[in-house]
Amino acid sequence: KAGVTQTPRYLIKTRGQQVTLSCSPISGHRSVSWYQQTPGQGLQFLFEYFSETQRNKGNFPGRFSGRQFSNSRSEMNVSTLELGDSALYLCASSSDRGTYGYTFGSGTRLTVV
Amino acid sequence: GESVGLHLPTLSVQEGDNSIINCAYSNSASDYFIWYKQESGKGPQFIIDIRSNMDKRQGQRVTVLLNKTVKHLSLQIAATQPGDSAVYFCAEKGAGGTSYGKLTFGQGTILTVHP
Repeated sequence: KAGVTQTPRYLIKTRGQQVTLSCSPISGHRSVSWYQQTPGQGLQFLFEYFSETQRNKGNFPGRFSGRQFSNSRSEMNVSTLELGDSALYLCASSSDRGTYGYTFGSGTRLTVV
Repeated sequence: GESVGLHLPTLSVQEGDNSIINCAYSNSASDYFIWYKQESGKGPQFIIDIRSNMDKRQGQRVTVLLNKTVKHLSLQIAATQPGDSAVYFCAEKGAGGTSYGKLTFGQGTILTVHP
């Protein structure tokens, strides 16, 4: 059974640009959550999508957004990039919105210059 | 302002020793707890979980203890191996609809196992 797949693995962007990251969950999993990991703040919850709807949201500015498609694949978008957005972005999938745990992908390393 | 990096606790042990990693969680209403291991360049990997109606749960070489009175979680690794070297995170999931899909992570502990 394939795991959670995140693409791309690495990205370098310039301040002010926007970026889109992709996450394919484990087959059959309908919940996808996104996290930001930085040395300064650790792992922080961004948002969760379930059945194509955002169900839960963390404390991040509106520049961070996402969506989920009918096949449960999810994308997150960051607009007007800032240097502080440099981070490892992780997605996690679950069959039941976390009741039996979450499986994480390897992440996308975003560097903003 | 300038952000201050997290100062992660570290634990250094010899191969074959038992390791204990501790975690204090924040929400007394949390009903599900997970330990993850993260190696360099990888995402968090599930180790073991426990629900709030349990005090202890055992896996292969790992045991998780939950003390709800003091909101404390620990991970015990038996016969620690060099391959166990990684950052270990505890995570909690709150009860109720607003917590679905969301984990709150601890700061992490760096475990180094010396051969």
